[in-house]
Amino acid sequence: QQQVKQSPQSLIVQKGGISIINCAYENTAFDYFPWYQQFPGKGPALLIAIRPDVSEKKEGRFTISFNKSAKQFSLHIMDSQPGDSATYFCAANLRNSGYALNFGKGTSLLVTP
Amino acid sequence: GAVVSQHPSWVICKSGTSVKIECRSLDFQATTMFWYRQFPKQSLMLMATSNEGSKATYEQGVEKDKFLINHASLTLSTLTVTSAHPEDSSFYICSQAGSRAYNEQFFGPGTRLTVL
Repeated sequence: QQQVKQSPQSLIVQKGGISIINCAYENTAFDYFPWYQQFPGKGPALLIAIRPDVSEKKEGRFTISFNKSAKQFSLHIMDSQPGDSATYFCAANLRNSGYALNFGKGTSLLVTP
Repeated sequence: GAVVSQHPSWVICKSGTSVKIECRSLDFQATTMFWYRQFPKQSLMLMATSNEGSKATYEQGVEKDKFLINHASLTLSTLTVTSAHPEDSSFYICSQAGSRAYNEQFFGPGTRLTVL
């Protein structure tokens, strides 16, 4: 059962544009929502994360928006660059699971020059 | 973030042989490490949780006798794929919980396994 649903599956954005990736979760007990960036043949790298007591978190060009009532969170990449082309995974963590992450299916982002 | 290494980065083996993958925590003593498997263009699937000094906890559908996990020290966890078959070909990634917050995870670079 997919506990975190991610969309879109793929995304093409022009350089300088805004990339938006959305995720929805089912389990209201989840208390940590990270985003990972993965390049081909590499392990995922933690990009930015948010906890449910905060509605927005910004780090450089990356922003997470969190809507607790809707059980949704999204990643916004401002001024997207070709170097941002990668696969992005959202995830959610359940405290009592022993810190295992529940991943979304991923979004393949292509930023065109 | 925490630094995690994996060895080897890629391995090719014949069907029926066993392959060991090492996951090392370079700057943090990790009591818990996680092993994931990722097929091409798919998400990461948790295989097992590796606890230092105790038996690993396997996810449903993962054969514990086929995927042997050993976490003998706070800095090393190993995954051994026994009697590997072509369907075991995948990208294997370990991760560890970080020291700053109890539910951050930092991933290794992954190991590409190809079984001929």
